[in-house]
Amino acid sequence: KNQVEQSPQSLIILEGKNCTLQCNYTVSPFSNLRWYKQDTGRGPVSLTIMTFSENTKSNGRYTATLDADTKQSSLHITASQLSDSASYICVVSAHSGYSTLTFGKGTMLLVSP
Amino acid sequence: NAGVTQTPKFRILKIGQSMTLQCTQDMNHNYMYWYRQDPGMGLKLIYYSVGAGITDKGEVPNGYNVSRSTTEDFPLRLELAAPSQTSVYFCASSYSGGSRIDTIYFGEGSWLTVV
Repeated sequence: KNQVEQSPQSLIILEGKNCTLQCNYTVSPFSNLRWYKQDTGRGPVSLTIMTFSENTKSNGRYTATLDADTKQSSLHITASQLSDSASYICVVSAHSGYSTLTFGKGTMLLVSP
Repeated sequence: NAGVTQTPKFRILKIGQSMTLQCTQDMNHNYMYWYRQDPGMGLKLIYYSVGAGITDKGEVPNGYNVSRSTTEDFPLRLELAAPSQTSVYFCASSYSGGSRIDTIYFGEGSWLTVV
């Protein structure tokens, strides 16, 4: 069964600090991995999409890494801002069917002033 | 550019009532999806469509129906609402399927409570 596990479940950091969120998956055959940001009461917004051959991808202060061998990904947030407070969702797509996305439960990040 | 638009934002239903969640996208996307998000859980696929006139079941389709008469619209019908359908519903769209690298765009969500 395809699964996506995220850690930690929640995290509190001070404004200006960096943090790293983790994602482990058991999705096969792997196609791509996505990170989404979901503000409270809003829909998810795409941050990055990574394929098998990509190790790192950045979007501003967000940097995602992918290790397809160990089936792990991380999302690093640099110089956090209050607006980074949100749930960060890891989504993994398999290489079969029309809609094969497996969603993690998300990591809830709170950036404190 | 509005993206994916869902209505209503909030709704309270009584057990046994029916309703339709509306979803429209203006990006000329072929693929459209309906997900539900329960507290502390990952999004679960209810139904999806790969184009006008074509729909298929996702992981949790029981109690729901969909139609796709146009490229833009993908309404979700709840028949005989049950408390288990209390959830947040998200409509999404993309140019191609999830196994491709196209961005999947989500609507703002519809909060549904069944009492």
